[in-house]
Amino acid sequence: EAGVVQSPRYKIIEKKQPVAFWCNPISGHNTLYWYRQNLGQGPELLIRYENEEAVDDSQLPKDRFSAERLKGVDSTLKIQPAELGDSAVYLCASSALAGGHYNEQFFGPGTRLTVL
Amino acid sequence: AQRVTQPEKLLSVFKGAPVELKCNYSYSGSPELFWYVQYSRQRLQLLLRHISRESIKGFTADLNKGETSFHLKKPFAQEEDSAMYYCALSVTNFGNEKLTFGTGTRLTIIP
Repeated sequence: EAGVVQSPRYKIIEKKQPVAFWCNPISGHNTLYWYRQNLGQGPELLIRYENEEAVDDSQLPKDRFSAERLKGVDSTLKIQPAELGDSAVYLCASSALAGGHYNEQFFGPGTRLTVL
Repeated sequence: AQRVTQPEKLLSVFKGAPVELKCNYSYSGSPELFWYVQYSRQRLQLLLRHISRESIKGFTADLNKGETSFHLKKPFAQEEDSAMYYCALSVTNFGNEKLTFGTGTRLTIIP
């Protein structure tokens, strides 16, 4: 089991350019999360999916960020256009369906984005 | 809104000495508290959660609602404990809710 897969691992772009991150969750996990981790901070949730539905996107800056999870499996997070302040590590996590109990979130290795 | 505070960004402890990583939270209801750990070049992973009341790798953490704290403790530090530790809070018991993380504490065990 490879765990949560993310690509690319590193990305360097110039400001105003678009960028996209891809995540493949653990097989069978219905819930998918995107977090952003700024330097020296803990991860902060951007969006949470239950299958293909975004059930919490309150922290997603919708003017430049977008996300999708087609078919309820893989997910893509996009930034267009990128700003200097978007430099961070973008983490994807997945967990099994709730069932009334907390289910452990499994994290991917992250994508480190540098905006120049 | 909920908040998690980890007052120490860095903590160095000699091997064999006791370890305590502090975590305080603010939330008016009944939260679930967790400790996540990230070893060098590895992914963020769950270490333990308060409802399990178990010891993982010698670490324990007790939820103190009066002091709104969830400190992580280990009686005898080992070199392999060196890592980044994050305290996190989930506001409901109903499954897949979002986690609110603290800023983390980097623990270094001195040989």
